[in-house]
Amino acid sequence: DVKVTQSSRYLVKRTGEKVFLECVQDMDHENMFWYRQDPGLGLRLIYFSYDVKMKEKGDIPEGYSVSREKKERFSLILESASTNQTSMYLCASSLNFSYEQYFGPGTRLTVT
Amino acid sequence: QQQVKQSPQSLIVQKGGISIINCAYENTAFDYFPWYQQFPGKGPALLIAIRPDVSEKKEGRFTISFNKSAKQFSLHIMDSQPGDSATYFCAANQAGTALIFGKGTTLSVSS
Repeated sequence: DVKVTQSSRYLVKRTGEKVFLECVQDMDHENMFWYRQDPGLGLRLIYFSYDVKMKEKGDIPEGYSVSREKKERFSLILESASTNQTSMYLCASSLNFSYEQYFGPGTRLTVT
Repeated sequence: QQQVKQSPQSLIVQKGGISIINCAYENTAFDYFPWYQQFPGKGPALLIAIRPDVSEKKEGRFTISFNKSAKQFSLHIMDSQPGDSATYFCAANQAGTALIFGKGTTLSVSS
């Protein structure tokens, strides 16, 4: 059974903190993605990676960075968390851009 | 040109009815059109997908209709059930590029 796991389901952080969201996939997929989901705005792509150490900006990369040191792991970093980064964060992976994306269960991040 | 526009934002359908969700795109280079289904508390999961060499694809009660000339595609859910209540996202891309998602449709099927 394919699996994408995310390190936390719920996270509460204070403004200005550095936040790490971890994602691990066990399918040997090349591509990994980070989205944020907000009511009425759908799924917005933050960053994606198509290979180890390779990354590309998505539609809303400001305030975020990513790291992919190993094929199975893709981390999203909020360098200095702000309240407008309160959101649901979803990680996904796929074998190819035009193949099924498998999503993790999401991390609901609250920044106070 | 990179947007995928999805409508309606929300939909209420009686049990046994037909649910229809529409998406439109501008980029004629798009060649992959999936639909994802998301239940509360879960990540989205692929429901059904189509490529532009066919005009329709059916899997059980779910059908994608694709109109290449109009640059539109739609999801039809026949005999809608309360268990179909979820958020549905359409998406599109061209080879080698990330999927672009619509903003989602929240479907409620009343019993």
